[in-house]
Amino acid sequence: AQSVTQLDSHVSVSEGTPVLLRCNYSSSYSPSLFWYVQHPNKGLQLLLKYTSAATLVKGINGFEAEFKKSETSFHLTKPSAHMSDAAEYFCVVVSGGSYIPTFGRGTSLIVHP
Amino acid sequence: NAGVTQTPKFQVLKTGQSMTLQCAQDMNHNSMYWYRQDPGMGLRLIYYSASEGTTDKGEVPNGYNVSRLNKREFSLRLESAAPSQTSVYFCASSDAVSSYNSPLHFGNGTRLTVT
Repeated sequence: AQSVTQLDSHVSVSEGTPVLLRCNYSSSYSPSLFWYVQHPNKGLQLLLKYTSAATLVKGINGFEAEFKKSETSFHLTKPSAHMSDAAEYFCVVVSGGSYIPTFGRGTSLIVHP
Repeated sequence: NAGVTQTPKFQVLKTGQSMTLQCAQDMNHNSMYWYRQDPGMGLRLIYYSASEGTTDKGEVPNGYNVSRLNKREFSLRLESAAPSQTSVYFCASSDAVSSYNSPLHFGNGTRLTVT
């Protein structure tokens, strides 16, 4: 069984300040973890993925995430928010041997000027 | 690069009407998926096809049917639309059969309203 919990439905930051979007997961087997971004009225785009190589994963647009097995977490961070980062972000888990990704409910990132 | 193509982009149906949402991918992926997205619910899996010739129910299959026409195409049918099926529908594909950590590639979505 697998599940994912995004701990915040909304996160509000000022432009130029750090971003932290939190994700906890549950998985019976070695998981793969993903973050996707969805801009308004658009499809979903892959930001980054963890696949049991390096625990710190770098993605597009300056985002990165750290896999912490002991905490079952995969939080998404960015040092400095930009207005264009305003979007919905989804954390996704896939357990080893599964074809079925499970999505979190999403976190809406709001960036203030 | 077309990637995943969904049609139509928008649709309005009356209760009881039927329609088929079309999806095609040109990445030679084995696995294809249909999700619905509702506010605050994330994406919920309706049906998936792990490989050509197979389909399986996801989390919310009631009221829907699917057809994996060939490796490229995976359609979703609403036989008798209900207002509860008002949603945004996304088709996705991946190479999950070959590698479970293969990411999903999404279409741009179909915005369906049932009145």
